[in-house]
This record gives sequence, C-alpha cells and structure tokens, in this order.
Amino acid sequence: AQKVTQAQTEISVVEKEDVTLDCVYETRDTTYYLFWYKQPPSGELVFLIRRNSFDEQNEISGRYSWNFQKSTSSFNFTITASQVVDSAVYFCALSGGSGGSNYKLTFGKGTLLTVNP
Amino acid sequence: ETGVTQTPRHLVMGMTNKKSLKCEQHLGHNAMYWYKQSAKKPLELMFVYSLEERVENNSVPSRFSPECPNSSHLFLHLHTLQPEDSALYLCASSPGTGGNEKLFFGSGTQLSVL
Repeated sequence: AQKVTQAQTEISVVEKEDVTLDCVYETRDTTYYLFWYKQPPSGELVFLIRRNSFDEQNEISGRYSWNFQKSTSSFNFTITASQVVDSAVYFCALSGGSGGSNYKLTFGKGTLLTVNP
Repeated sequence: ETGVTQTPRHLVMGMTNKKSLKCEQHLGHNAMYWYKQSAKKPLELMFVYSLEERVENNSVPSRFSPECPNSSHLFLHLHTLQPEDSALYLCASSPGTGGNEKLFFGSGTQLSVL
C-alpha cells in the first residue's frame, strides 16, 4: 500500500523567510510519480510539480525548489523568500507508474502554510 | 482559472433532500474525477471516469451516484446524506488516466448536511 506523510500540519513564517515543507512517501512500485499541489483559500488545487522515480535531479522554479531523495523516500519543497501570496495548504501526492490503477493519487494530509507580513 | 468549473460553490441540504453537484471541464480531457476533502483527512478519491466509462468506484456509499453524460461533464447525485458527508467535494480532470497525469481541479462544492 502506498502512503504519503506530511508531518508538518501547520507552519507559520514571516514574509521573506525561507520555509521547507517535508514529504515522506512509501511505495513498493519501482516506477512512480510524485507531485506537489497548492490549495489557496479559493479551494482549487493547483499543480506545482511532477517528478518520476528515475529522475532524482533537484528542480528550481523561481522561488520554489524541490529536493527528491530516493534514499530517504523524501520529496521536500522549499520556498525561498516567502510571500503572503504563498499562504495556502500544500499537498504532496504519490501515484503508481504501472498497473491498472496507476491513476490513483495518494495524498498526504497537507501542510497549512501561513506567511505573515 | 483552471478550466474546471464546479457548481454550486456552496450547498446546504437536509438528510432527506436530493441534490446534484455539477462539474464541467473546458480542457478537452478524457478523464474526470470526484474527490472528497474532509477536515484533517487526506483527499479521498471517490470516482474516476475515462472516456465516459466509470473505471473506479472507491467503496463509496450508494447515496452518492455519479453520472458522466459526456467527456466534458460530470455530476454527483446526492440523496439521503448523513451529517458526516459534509465536506468539500472536488472535481478534477486530466488528459488521460496514466500515473503521470497532472490533475486540474475545480474550486469545489462545500457541502453541509444538516
């Protein structure tokens, strides 16, 4: 069975601080995909990034960066110089890459990030 | 604007009512999903449709009945709900149903069952 753990329920920072959101996953699949989604107060989840299990290269997109480490089964997300608009719930998710039900995403419980001015 | 529209945004219903949630996607996607988001719980996949055929029914009680008349529209028909069914119901779509698919979500319907 697949599992995603986001141990941080809530994080509160002051604007311009850097913040890292942790994600640890469990899977028996050798091929899988990891995702991060952002859910602002408006409700819709917005896709941020997708990573496949064979690509451990870290990625940077503006103020966002992701650190994928298979050795520790982690896919952490860092926001540099946080802004108030970053306030949202962030979800890490895992899908299987093969088999009949690989579309099933297993979500973590989410981390509520509050960035204060 | 994600290209997925859900109506209504808010719904309050009694346990004996019948109501429907509507989802429409303008992205030309072939797969559509219903997710349930309850407080302090991970998102739960309820139903998946691929090319208008249901491919997943994730042990959801029969008081929830999905309908997908075409690849752009998805409904969730509700009847005789329980207070514990109060949650945010999210619709999503994706180009296909592969494990690498990026999902596009609507803003959800916040449902309160009295």
